[in-house]
Amino acid sequence: KNQVEQSPQSLIILEGKNCTLQCNYTVSPFSNLRWYKQDTGRGPVSLTIMTFSENTKSNGRYTATLDADTKQSSLHITASQLSDSASYICVVSDRGSTLGRLYFGRGTQLTVWP
Amino acid sequence: EADIYQTPRYLVIGTGKKITLECSQTMGHDKMYWYQQDPGMELHLIHYSYGVNSTEKGDLSSESTVSRIRTEHFPLTLESARPSHTSQYLCASSEVFKGAGLDKNIQYFGAGTRLSVL
Repeated sequence: KNQVEQSPQSLIILEGKNCTLQCNYTVSPFSNLRWYKQDTGRGPVSLTIMTFSENTKSNGRYTATLDADTKQSSLHITASQLSDSASYICVVSDRGSTLGRLYFGRGTQLTVWP
Repeated sequence: EADIYQTPRYLVIGTGKKITLECSQTMGHDKMYWYQQDPGMELHLIHYSYGVNSTEKGDLSSESTVSRIRTEHFPLTLESARPSHTSQYLCASSEVFKGAGLDKNIQYFGAGTRLSVL
């Protein structure tokens, strides 16, 4: 069964600290993995997208890594800011259909405290 | 910044009412999607469209219906709303980047409509 599991479910950190969010998936055949940021009451916004040949991808203070062998990904946030408070969603796409079916994790709720 | 718009942002209605959630995109994308998301839960695909006059049901069964008469417009309709329909509804459209033998299907999301049925 194609699944995407994220950990931790929620995380609280102090402003300026770093953190790492985890994503494990069982989606096959794998096409790509993306991280989205979703602010409360808003739609998800794409942060990074990686295919199996890409091990790391950065977007400002966000750095995503991908290990396609172990089917794990992480999102590292450096020098956190209050505006980083949001849900971070891991999404995996398969190659099994022209739709490019997406499988969503439940997200990690990050709260940054001043 | 993606050009995909949803209206209304918030809607509170009574049971039995007919409602239409609007979704428009100005990017010329052929593929469009509707997702349902409950608080703290993952997004579930309820409808998608490959293009004009194409609509398909998604993974999660839904009593809603959709239409795609124009490329830029993908409205969702509930003929008779019930409290069980209370949720957030997210619309998305996508483009495909082709390269190195692999396609990247990038989905852009609207801000969502938060529906409450009393």
